Amino acid sequence: AQKITQTQPGMFVQEKEAVTLDCTYDTSDQSYGLFWYKQPSSGEMIFLIYQGSYDEQNATEGRYSLNFQKARKSANLVISASQLGDSAMYFCAMREGNGATNKLIFGTGTLLAVQP
Amino acid sequence: DTGVSQDPRHKITKRGQNVTFRCDPISEHNRLYWYRQTLGQGPEFLTYFQNEAQLEKSRLLSDRFSAERPKGSFSTLEIQRTEQGDSAMYLCASSLQRNTEAFFGQGTRLTVV
Repeated sequence: AQKITQTQPGMFVQEKEAVTLDCTYDTSDQSYGLFWYKQPSSGEMIFLIYQGSYDEQNATEGRYSLNFQKARKSANLVISASQLGDSAMYFCAMREGNGATNKLIFGTGTLLAVQP
Repeated sequence: DTGVSQDPRHKITKRGQNVTFRCDPISEHNRLYWYRQTLGQGPEFLTYFQNEAQLEKSRLLSDRFSAERPKGSFSTLEIQRTEQGDSAMYLCASSLQRNTEAFFGQGTRLTVV
């Protein structure tokens, strides 16, 4: 069965520094997608970045990059130059199979606190 | 239309009452999803619509839960005879096609007392 594991319940980072949020996944599918979402205290899940299993390059979106290591089944999120507004819960998620449903399986999340 | 809209944002109800939530997806999105998120957990998939057809339901969706998307636009999620264990954030998401990201609404926080 597909599973997402986020082992860091909480992380602190100093403003302007980089931080890495860990995510490992388990699947027997050859085709899958990996996502990171940010959830501020308001509750909305904000899409950050996507990596397809066949993508050879690591995905990047502004200050966000995804360190995709397929053999190790890890998809860590790197946030560069942290800002106070980055303080939130961060969820790693996996789309099952070839996207027929786009159903997502989420990890338990990492709470990031950016300190001034 | 700037995003997925959910109504109400908060709902407090007494155990045993019925509640209904509404989700308006991004207008051109044909896929709509409902998720449930309990405290300290990530969202868990409940059900999925493609246009008006409900194509998948999780085992989490007991007989007390029903979801509809009658015209392939907005969707409703009804919970009958609510229980305290139903207290959670109910999130709606929509996406355009397969292999694209899902956009989430701000959720409806249900508290059953």
